[in-house]
Amino acid sequence: GAVVSQHPSWVICKSGTSVKIECRSLDFQATTMFWYRQFPKQSLMLMATSNEGSKATYEQGVEKDKFLINHASLTLSTLTVTSAHPEDSSFYICSARDYTGGAHNEQFFGPGTRLTVL
Amino acid sequence: DQQVKQNSPSLSVQEGRISILNCDYTNSMFDYFLWYKKYPAEGPTFLISISSIKDKNEDGRFTVFLNKSAKHLSLHIVPSQPGDSAVYFCAASDSSNTGKLIFGQGTTLQVKP
Repeated sequence: GAVVSQHPSWVICKSGTSVKIECRSLDFQATTMFWYRQFPKQSLMLMATSNEGSKATYEQGVEKDKFLINHASLTLSTLTVTSAHPEDSSFYICSARDYTGGAHNEQFFGPGTRLTVL
Repeated sequence: DQQVKQNSPSLSVQEGRISILNCDYTNSMFDYFLWYKKYPAEGPTFLISISSIKDKNEDGRFTVFLNKSAKHLSLHIVPSQPGDSAVYFCAASDSSNTGKLIFGQGTTLQVKP
């Protein structure tokens, strides 16, 4: 099956710093990538939808200036958490959808990134 | 507003028995439903899906049933195996909305040997 990678798998940073998380589709082209966050024992909450070459669409309540998303190529999307604070500590997961199109093309998920802000 | 709900946070079954995980949704625009399996600190793994034009889809030990009138779907695993122990999420999407997935809260399944 299709493989999606995330880097780093975990990161610890100081409050006020920025952290960049990469999401790559390794063996397919993804026109659309999605970013989720998951708090302990809770559901995956969609943060934003990222389309290659265009601006990301953010879900209600997600600060676009705090969570910067860039989808510069068909295989790479990045999420930058700017001026991170302890409440941003969470598990961030990306998913990628195959280029062949159609709203119901399967999404493949990355392994996630554990962010801890001290 | 929780559009996709999994009301049972946990389920425990004996190995070899059937596991039934339930999911309810409220948005009638949803036309595609998926089940994912997730281990801690890992991304979800796709299990099985069903389109709203069907009421059943089967793949090996996994069967998903959809009752559109009740806005309810269920995942049956039979026979259950200890390796099935994980968190199971149902998710829904509608074809008019970029295919984004709305997830339920998850159900932790424990299969006892």
